[in-house]
Amino acid sequence: DGGITQSPKYLFRKEGQNVTLSCEQNLNHDAMYWYRQDPGQGLRLIYYSQIVNDFQKGDIAEGYSVSREKKESFPLTVTSAQKNPTAFYLCASSIEGRRINYGYTFGSGTRLTVV
Amino acid sequence: GNSVTQMEGPVTLSEEAFLTINCTYTATGYPSLFWYVQYPGEGLQLLLKATKADDKGSNKGFEATYRKETTSFHLEKGSVQVSDSAVYFCALTLASYGGSQGNLIFGKGTKLSVKP
Repeated sequence: DGGITQSPKYLFRKEGQNVTLSCEQNLNHDAMYWYRQDPGQGLRLIYYSQIVNDFQKGDIAEGYSVSREKKESFPLTVTSAQKNPTAFYLCASSIEGRRINYGYTFGSGTRLTVV
Repeated sequence: GNSVTQMEGPVTLSEEAFLTINCTYTATGYPSLFWYVQYPGEGLQLLLKATKADDKGSNKGFEATYRKETTSFHLEKGSVQVSDSAVYFCALTLASYGGSQGNLIFGKGTKLSVKP
């Protein structure tokens, strides 16, 4: 079955270390997204990519970086510059030009804890 | 700007009670509207959608009607179950084309707890 796989489900890192969260999809979707979820704040867009080798900053891109070298993969790096990285991170994808009808497909998330 | 406003939670109901979660939106064009559900520790799942005014989306006993005159998309269910306990997100998107205008805009979510 097609879907989005995020790994790992739980991740612990020491303060000051960079960490990369994986997101892979086999849905042949064009667009991919990274969201951060904190209690009581809903979903906040970090980065999105509509096509391979191109990506755009979302609302809270500072302290994060991404790459989109393959259509299937959109890894997110949480750098040491991110002041409060502990959060639940969600990856999503969509069919470009058809979001109006289909919305997004989400992965199951990665919970990052920085100690 | 474009935005989604949901009723604040948490909402606590007894099993078989009637559920309404209010959602209103502000949009410059004619959005498509969605409800997503998030079970504990998981990602979001699409629950239902409506793409034009007066459309009714429905799934798993949940319903929501796209009301252009009141800019609303309230989620309802006639008889909730314990298994419906989750966080519910209302969302909208504009334009079927590429660009940031097409990105989903989410409400803050409403947590529902159903007690047996």
